[in-house]
Amino acid sequence: DGGITQSPKYLFRKEGQNVTLSCEQNLNHDAMYWYRQDPGQGLRLIYYSQIVNDFQKGDIAEGYSVSREKKESFPLTVTSAQKNPTAFYLCASRKGSNYGYTFGSGTRLTVV
Amino acid sequence: AQKITQTQPGMFVQEKEAVTLDCTYDTSDQSYGLFWYKQPSSGEMIFLIYQGSYDEQNATEGRYSLNFQKARKSANLVISASQLGDSAMYFCAMRDIAGNTGKLIFGQGTTLQVKP
Repeated sequence: DGGITQSPKYLFRKEGQNVTLSCEQNLNHDAMYWYRQDPGQGLRLIYYSQIVNDFQKGDIAEGYSVSREKKESFPLTVTSAQKNPTAFYLCASRKGSNYGYTFGSGTRLTVV
Repeated sequence: AQKITQTQPGMFVQEKEAVTLDCTYDTSDQSYGLFWYKQPSSGEMIFLIYQGSYDEQNATEGRYSLNFQKARKSANLVISASQLGDSAMYFCAMRDIAGNTGKLIFGQGTTLQVKP
């Protein structure tokens, strides 16, 4: 079945370390998105990519980086510059402007 | 700037009764899309219903309907015949069309608890 796979489901990071969250889709979708969700809050956009080898900053990009070398993959790196990285991270994809969104099951990142 | 407001942090409903979750939005665009998502405790976002700004009819999907009042800029979700499995967080979202980013702008969410 087609879908979006996010891994790992849970991730623990020590302060000062970079970590990379994986997002893979086999839906042949063009656009991919990374959102951050804090407890009791809505989702905020970190980065998005509408085509391979191109990506744009979202509303809260500071302390994060991404790449889009393949259509299927849109990994998110949480760098040590992100001061408050503990959150739930959701990846989403969309085929085109007139289509809906598919979400992954999320990665819960905790700084220890 | 585009904004979604959900003013009900938490709601309770008796099983088998109907419930309305409020959503108001702010945009200067003429063309936009409105979504409702359900997020159970497991975390995934489940699409429920979509309303386009030019759609004349209110959207319906099974037990879900969207009460779209364009002049008032509201897009309330109505869940009929509530079930225990409806207990979750619900998000209203708007698609950025004019900015051509395709991003979704989310409200703060409403936690719904269905009582047996």
